[in-house]
Amino acid sequence: DAGVIQSPRHEVTEMGQEVTLRCKPISGHNSLFWYRQTMMRGLELLIYFNNNVPIDDSGMPEDRFSAKMPNASFSTLKIQPSEPRDSAVYFCASSPGLPSYEQYFGPGTRLTVT
Amino acid sequence: SQQGEEDPQALSIQEGENATMNCSYKTSINNLQWYRQNSGRGLVHLILIRSNEREKHSGRLRVTLDTSKKSSSLLITASRAADTASYFCATDHNNAGNMLTFGGGTRLMVKP
Repeated sequence: DAGVIQSPRHEVTEMGQEVTLRCKPISGHNSLFWYRQTMMRGLELLIYFNNNVPIDDSGMPEDRFSAKMPNASFSTLKIQPSEPRDSAVYFCASSPGLPSYEQYFGPGTRLTVT
Repeated sequence: SQQGEEDPQALSIQEGENATMNCSYKTSINNLQWYRQNSGRGLVHLILIRSNEREKHSGRLRVTLDTSKKSSSLLITASRAADTASYFCATDHNNAGNMLTFGGGTRLMVKP
């Protein structure tokens, strides 16, 4: 198994541009999570899906952020328009669910907004 | 808000020494997990301890859980330079589905 796959690994963009981050979870996992990590705020949960349905998006900072999971093997996190304060490492994780809810993290996307 | 809070925030030890990291949380949990993150990488699951367990071992790792004090500790014995990483505790709240809440992490440096 290749693990959780994220793309791109690095993204540099200018303020105001749209950014789309992609994630392919581990096959058979029914939960998917998007996190953001910064030095100042640590690891923050943005949104998570169960069986492709968004369950909790209370961590999404603003309307500029949106996430979709059109099928069990693909999810996107979109920022439009991007701002410098969105610069962070964004992680996607998937979980098989019961009984342990262990999460498997992707390598992350390092986003820099100038 | 973060449920788990690790202590200390940073720890520096010599190779061969033991490293102990602590985690405190606020509300009832189903289980508590520890994760490791190497610089520039994603988090990797290390060990899970359920709320009805008090101690668990995995190789050089020993985890304890005290639900009365709402705290857990991770002990790494005979540390190696390769153990240098950040370590996070994560709690699975009751009635929170499969969402985990991560603490701020402990940065461990093991000097050769």
